[in-house]
Amino acid sequence: GDSVTQMEGPVTLSEEAFLTINCTYTATGYPSLFWYVQYPGEGLQLLLKATKADDKGSNKGFEATYRKETTSFHLEKGSVQVSDSAVYFCALKGSARQLTFGSGTQLTVLP
Amino acid sequence: KAGVTQTPRYLIKTRGQQVTLSCSPISGHRSVSWYQQTPGQGLQFLFEYFSETQRNKGNFPGRFSGRQFSNSRSEMNVSTLELGDSALYLCASSLGPDRAELYGYTFGSGTRLTVV
Repeated sequence: GDSVTQMEGPVTLSEEAFLTINCTYTATGYPSLFWYVQYPGEGLQLLLKATKADDKGSNKGFEATYRKETTSFHLEKGSVQVSDSAVYFCALKGSARQLTFGSGTQLTVLP
Repeated sequence: KAGVTQTPRYLIKTRGQQVTLSCSPISGHRSVSWYQQTPGQGLQFLFEYFSETQRNKGNFPGRFSGRQFSNSRSEMNVSTLELGDSALYLCASSLGPDRAELYGYTFGSGTRLTVV
């Protein structure tokens, strides 16, 4: 079945550092891929998405490229801010017709 | 426009009781999905409703059930609560199950259920 493997956390960075959170997936066909972010005490917010191979999703300085050859959708940001501290979830929507999530990566950005 | 509204935000129940959670989707959204979030199991899909019909169901026991009304509002019910049902229950709405890829899902803030 569908599955998402996400970089283990927690990740602690200094402000303005470069961020990469790795995400790989297993799915049949051509799933859509998503990154969601969860701030403390809140639900999930869609950060970005990509629906086909080589698509690049981007939002608020975050980017991720749908790489079918490596079945990956790594999240990157060139310069993180304290306000980016949150839990990040990689997810896919594939043949199962539901969102399948990774385990989440806790990011803490220190001033 | 208003987001996805889940009520109540917090709930404490006793083992063996039943509970009903409510979700009002974004206006115009006709699909509602439910997820359970726990520290041990992460985010797990419960079920999805569209046009008052259950379209998809995850691997949860029959104690977990749901329904959707004609105005797209959805409820989920858990009967005979167990300690392991303590979790954050999240509802997500979308325009429709086949349009979620294009427009994504919008999540509510969740209902925190504690079973004691």
